[in-house]
Amino acid sequence: KAGVTQTPRYLIKTRGQQVTLSCSPISGHRSVSWYQQTPGQGLQFLFEYFSETQRNKGNFPGRFSGRQFSNSRSEMNVSTLELGDSALYLCASSWTGSTTGNEQFFGPGTRLTVL
Amino acid sequence: AQSVTQLDSQVPVFEEAPVELRCNYSSSVSVYLFWYVQYPNQGLQLLLKYLSGSTLVKGINGFEAEFNKSQTSFHLRKPSVHISDTAEYFCAVRFSGGYNKLIFGAGTRLAVHP
Repeated sequence: KAGVTQTPRYLIKTRGQQVTLSCSPISGHRSVSWYQQTPGQGLQFLFEYFSETQRNKGNFPGRFSGRQFSNSRSEMNVSTLELGDSALYLCASSWTGSTTGNEQFFGPGTRLTVL
Repeated sequence: AQSVTQLDSQVPVFEEAPVELRCNYSSSVSVYLFWYVQYPNQGLQLLLKYLSGSTLVKGINGFEAEFNKSQTSFHLRKPSVHISDTAEYFCAVRFSGGYNKLIFGAGTRLAVHP
């Protein structure tokens, strides 16, 4: 079974631009979560989508948004990029939407550099 | 407030020595606990998890962890480390009712020396 895939793996943008990152979950998984990893703030939850609905959101500004498609693939978008948005963006997928401790599988991440 | 604290940012250890990476959490609701490992330029790999039942859980690569509810801790242990265990280790907590949202600790960098 293929793992979680994220594209692109590396991205360089300039301030003010916008960017879209893509995540394909493991086949059959319906929940996709996004995390931002930076040296200063560590791993922080961005949002989670389940069955095309955002049902959980972290403490990030509205410039960060996402969506999920009917095939469970997810995209996240960051508009008006700032230098501080440089980070590794990780996507994780899970089989169900249960509130119990389902295992999440992480992708390799997209390394975003904002110049 | 719900939080996760990893008490050591770096842990140096010699090969074949035992190691313990410490993790404490703060929560007023039930929790589910996880340890992940991250190798350079890679995503996170699940080492082990505690959902319920026995408080001693065994994971991959010879790691184990013990859930202590009274001390709100979930320390990770390995009796004998290898060079290949050098990596960043993250403790993570999912709080009851939080769906799949994970709160991560700051991470512990394990450096195994020959």
